Amino acid sequence: ETGVTQTPRHLVMGMTNKKSLKCEQHLGHNAMYWYKQSAKKPLELMFVYNFKEQTENNSVPSRFSPECPNSSHLFLHLHTLQPEDSALYLCASSQGGLAGGHQFFGPGTRLTVL
Amino acid sequence: AQKVTQAQTEISVVEKEDVTLDCVYETRDTTYYLFWYKQPPSGELVFLIRRNSFDEQNEISGRYSWNFQKSTSSFNFTITASQVVDSAVYFCALSERGIQGAQKLVFGQGTRLTINP
Repeated sequence: ETGVTQTPRHLVMGMTNKKSLKCEQHLGHNAMYWYKQSAKKPLELMFVYNFKEQTENNSVPSRFSPECPNSSHLFLHLHTLQPEDSALYLCASSQGGLAGGHQFFGPGTRLTVL
Repeated sequence: AQKVTQAQTEISVVEKEDVTLDCVYETRDTTYYLFWYKQPPSGELVFLIRRNSFDEQNEISGRYSWNFQKSTSSFNFTITASQVVDSAVYFCALSERGIQGAQKLVFGQGTRLTINP
């Protein structure tokens, strides 16, 4: 399998549920990213990980909890979400550093919070 | 702060027409990269082009062409003889050095392009 994969592709959850989104990259990249895309604010950067260390948290509420066990895997743990958290969540990876390398994106997880 | 502006929220044209998507950026960096991504209805962002700030040559790839003008901080994207398959949301992005060297991208709001048969 190549590129960046995300599972699940679609997720419906209640406000009291706990779920996790998974991202995996097969490109040997060092940096991984979570983005949120909604109608109100397209492509908001949420978190950045570089060599498994979190380097950016863009003022994301604590109900979103990222985890990066290694450079190939990135998780986003969700708990007690709100309906306004419904969005497309995109994962991306890149070589890292300001080498000018572009980010490779996964297909996204479409999340609906009821 | 870095900023990317795509003033055109939506564009609709008839197939075979040429269409230009505008992108204006703001940065204090002397070295930076500009990107265009395409997002079809499936959701995945597809990389189209990367341009180094020191390279102002225009680029053509098939029906796609890009006009980079540093003097006006613009990086416009033109599709010649548009086709229905070009219908998508297009994002312009600017690189920004993040903490500890991890590159970040600042995206514009996107332009939704609809090509009608």
